Amino acid sequence: AQKVTQAQTEISVVEKEDVTLDCVYETRDTTYYLFWYKQPPSGELVFLIRRNSFDEQNEISGRYSWNFQKSTSSFNFTITASQVVDSAVYFCALSEAGYGGSQGNLIFGKGTKLSVKP
Amino acid sequence: ETGVTQTPRHLVMGMTNKKSLKCEQHLGHNAMYWYKQSAKKPLELMFVYSLEERVENNSVPSRFSPECPNSSHLFLHLHTLQPEDSALYLCASSQEMGLAGGQDYEQYFGPGTRLTVT
Repeated sequence: AQKVTQAQTEISVVEKEDVTLDCVYETRDTTYYLFWYKQPPSGELVFLIRRNSFDEQNEISGRYSWNFQKSTSSFNFTITASQVVDSAVYFCALSEAGYGGSQGNLIFGKGTKLSVKP
Repeated sequence: ETGVTQTPRHLVMGMTNKKSLKCEQHLGHNAMYWYKQSAKKPLELMFVYSLEERVENNSVPSRFSPECPNSSHLFLHLHTLQPEDSALYLCASSQEMGLAGGQDYEQYFGPGTRLTVT
């Protein structure tokens, strides 16, 4: 069965600290996509990154970086030099080719609430 | 207007009321989605429409009735709701639905409607 686990419910850091948000997933498919979304207090989910199951190369975008490891079924997200504006709930999600025509539905983790204090 | 918009942003309704949530996307996408976000639960996919046809219905109670008159608009009609239906209802759109042709498409979310059922 497909599942996304974000074990950290809440994390609090002080500005300029580095922080890593963990994501572990379960899937039977060999073809799947992993996502991270950010949900600020305004409520709108903001797409951050998509990764397909055949590309294990780590990615860096400014202060954000992602570490995809198929061996441990993890797709962790690191923010370096955190800022107050990074405060939000972060969701990891999985999309897979399912059965019976159910394709690509996003399966979300429960989210990690990040608070960055000045 | 750009992106995905939702109205109203906040809604309070009694259990005997009938109301509708509206979603509009200005991205030229072909797929639209309704999600429910409750406290302490992962985001739950409710309905998926692709080219105005319902593709997915994840066993949602019949008191929720979706309507997709065209690829830019999506409605969620509500009637005789229960207090446990209080949640943030998010609409999303994507260029295509899920893993079409081996290519996945990220979903763009609206700001949500905060629904309170009294």
